[in-house]
Amino acid sequence: DAKTTQPTSMDCAEGRAANLPCNHSTISGNEYVYWYRQIHSQGPQYIIHGLKNNETNEMASLIITEDRKSSTLILPHATLRDTAVYYCIVRVAAGGTSYGKLTFGQGTILTVHP
Amino acid sequence: EAQVTQNPRYLITVTGKKLTVTCSQNMNHEYMSWYRQDPGLGLRQIYYSMNVEVTDKGDVPEGYKVSRKEKRNFPLILESPSPNQTSLYFCASSFVQNTEAFFGQGTRLTVV
Repeated sequence: DAKTTQPTSMDCAEGRAANLPCNHSTISGNEYVYWYRQIHSQGPQYIIHGLKNNETNEMASLIITEDRKSSTLILPHATLRDTAVYYCIVRVAAGGTSYGKLTFGQGTILTVHP
Repeated sequence: EAQVTQNPRYLITVTGKKLTVTCSQNMNHEYMSWYRQDPGLGLRQIYYSMNVEVTDKGDVPEGYKVSRKEKRNFPLILESPSPNQTSLYFCASSFVQNTEAFFGQGTRLTVV
């Protein structure tokens, strides 16, 4: 799986949009971008994933650049409960040969303040 | 509600006393795995299972066993726990490998 680079930490005011960047310049054509988050010592939580088109669900939006070398996770109206470590990873498609292991890097510590 | 359930949530035990951490999912997922999380080391995969009766070692399998006798359950067994197995453990499941994973709430294990 391709390596990703994320900022170590970010701050966001409650109610504002949180934009979390991720660089994945070595991504392959068959690799998806996934985002997870982990709220202090809880199990990681899946947020969203995409291949090349922008994606949106009830939690967030994912914007992937045209060359697929970077992406941004957007939490449109951040709340205090969104304070967590956010992980960006790239993975081969379902059933691929990486045996399903999730490898989280250091992630971005997002702090949402009042 | 779709979920992965681990038990117990917290456990303090003594060196050498066999223990089992249970994991159950209600989503009919084929793929299940166990991770441990330690400060500065991130998530490390212990064992995984692609389907019933199909299990394989992850990156840190030493000192652990697993079984997958039925699709919903994937227990983690520590036959003779040691203090270096003190950690936060997570069970995860997904439809097949490399699809979105659902994690349990975690089991914080302390071996003294």
